[in-house]
Order: sequence, then C-alpha cells, then structure tokens
Amino acid sequence: KNQVEQSPQSLIILEGKNCTLQCNYTVSPFSNLRWYKQDTGRGPVSLTIMTFSENTKSNGRYTATLDADTKQSSLHITASQLSDSASYICVVMRANQAGTALIFGKGTTLSVSS
Amino acid sequence: DVKVTQSSRYLVKRTGEKVFLECVQDMDHENMFWYRQDPGLGLRLIYFSYDVKMKEKGDIPEGYSVSREKKERFSLILESASTNQTSMYLCATRTSATYEQYFGPGTRLTVT
Repeated sequence: KNQVEQSPQSLIILEGKNCTLQCNYTVSPFSNLRWYKQDTGRGPVSLTIMTFSENTKSNGRYTATLDADTKQSSLHITASQLSDSASYICVVMRANQAGTALIFGKGTTLSVSS
Repeated sequence: DVKVTQSSRYLVKRTGEKVFLECVQDMDHENMFWYRQDPGLGLRLIYFSYDVKMKEKGDIPEGYSVSREKKERFSLILESASTNQTSMYLCATRTSATYEQYFGPGTRLTVT
C-alpha cells in the first residue's frame, strides 16, 4: 500500500535549537519527494523537491536528506526561529504509465518557543 | 512568481446550500487540483483537471463536482452542503514540466 508516515506528530523546541523531522514511505514506483511548510491557516509552500538520485538538498536553514534504499527522508532545521512554527508535510510522487499521484503524509506540527 | 488565488478565505454556509469555491492561477499550468484538509487526516484529493473541460475524480469525490471552462480557472461545487463538508479547501496547480505544485491560500468553509 502506498503510504507516507511522518514522525513525530508534534514537536516543541526552544528558539535557536536544531530539530529533525522524519518521513518514511512505501510509495512505488517512486518519482520524487517533497517537503512543504504550512503556516496556520495558509496553503502549503514548497521547501524542497528531491529525486531518486539526490541525497541532500538545502534551502536556507532547511536541509532535506533522502535515502532511496531505505525509503526514508528527513528535514533538518538549523537554528530555529519563531517563524519556523508550522506544519511540515512530506509528500511523495508516484509515477507510472497510468500517470502521477501525490501521496501526502499527515504532517509534523512544530512549535518554536522563546 | 506563481500566483494561485481562491475566491474566499472564510465562508459560512447553511446545510443544503449550493456552494461555489473558485480558484484562479496566472501561470498557464495545465493541471489543477482541489484538496480538503482535516485535522489528523492530512490533505485528500477531491478532483483534478489536466486540461480545459477535463476532470478526474480523486480519492473523495462524493458530494462534490468541478468545472473547468477556462485554463486559469477551476471551480469546486458542493451541490448540497452538509456539515461533514466543513473543512479547509485547498486549490493547487502543477506544471507538467517540473511537477512543482503550488497551493492557494485555502478557504475555510463552515457548514452549519
């Protein structure tokens, strides 16, 4: 079954600290993996897209890793800021002859406190 | 920059009303999508369209219909709103070239 599991479900950290969010997937055939940031009451905004051949991709203080062998990805946030408080959604694209489909994780809610 | 706009940020409707949610994009993307997002369930695909006048059912199409008369506009219709359709509705567009997907700001619909 095509699934995307994220952990933890929620996380609270102090401003300035680092954190890592996890994403495990069983989607096949794999096309790419995305991380989105969703502020409360807003639409998701793309942080990174990673294909099969990419192991690491950075976007400012956000660094995503992908291990296609173990089907795991992580999103590392460095020196967290209050504005990082949001939901982070891992999404995997499945692509085959029938077309493409996005499989969404349920998200990790991050709260950064001062 | 890609811009995806939705007609309302907040909407309150009564049970049984017909509801129209409109999405407009300015990037000439072929593909457009409607999702709903509920706590603990994540985003679920309602309908999508890969061209004008074309539509495909997503995972949860029951109780919804869509219309795409122009490339830039994709409408979601609730024929007879029910309380279980209270949710956050998100529109998205996607280019076939890069598969990058862009979301609108969302419409928080409450059906009473």
